Amino acid sequence: GAVVSQHPSRVICKSGTSVKIECRSLDFQATTMFWYRQFPKQSLMLMATSNEGSKATYEQGVEKDKFLINHASLTLSTLTVTSAHPEDSSFYICSARWDRGEGTQYFGPGTRLLVL
Amino acid sequence: RKEVEQDPGPFNVPEGATVAFNCTYSNSASQSFFWYRQDCRKEPKLLMSVYSSGNEDGRFTAQLNRASQYISLLIRDSKLSDSATYLCVVNARGGTYKYIFGTGTRLKVLA
Repeated sequence: GAVVSQHPSRVICKSGTSVKIECRSLDFQATTMFWYRQFPKQSLMLMATSNEGSKATYEQGVEKDKFLINHASLTLSTLTVTSAHPEDSSFYICSARWDRGEGTQYFGPGTRLLVL
Repeated sequence: RKEVEQDPGPFNVPEGATVAFNCTYSNSASQSFFWYRQDCRKEPKLLMSVYSSGNEDGRFTAQLNRASQYISLLIRDSKLSDSATYLCVVNARGGTYKYIFGTGTRLKVLA
């Protein structure tokens, strides 16, 4: 299947700092990328959908000024958690899809963020 | 009501057992359905898509009942390596074709 990578795999930071997470599709061009967050023992919750070259669409309750998403190329999307706080500690997972329709999503390995 | 509902389990079954999971969804306009498997602290991995006619992949069988809006997954001859959380996923139409995840059902296969 298609390969999606994420970097870093885990990050520990101090409260108030910003953290950038990269998501890359390695062997296909990702027209659409998704960012999810998963808290312990909970399901994946979609944060935002980004299409290459356009602004991300955020889900209700997700602050777009806090979670900055950039999808500048067909193989790279970045999520920046600005002024991170302990409640932002979570497992962040991206996924990528080659089309804007019903194509299968391929998931990255996730980034574990711990904010102290 | 949640858009996609699953029994969280855990289901503890002996090796070799047959186990079934169900999932219900609320959006009747949903078009595509999947079962994903997620191991502890890892990303979800696609187990199988679910087709209207039902489909089988080795020991795994998936069924879709559109009238009742539920999806099932049957695992036969359970292996220790089947221990994981199984996520029911519905691809919702409405512009962005986004995945809606259930909370997952935990399965533990015991030796």
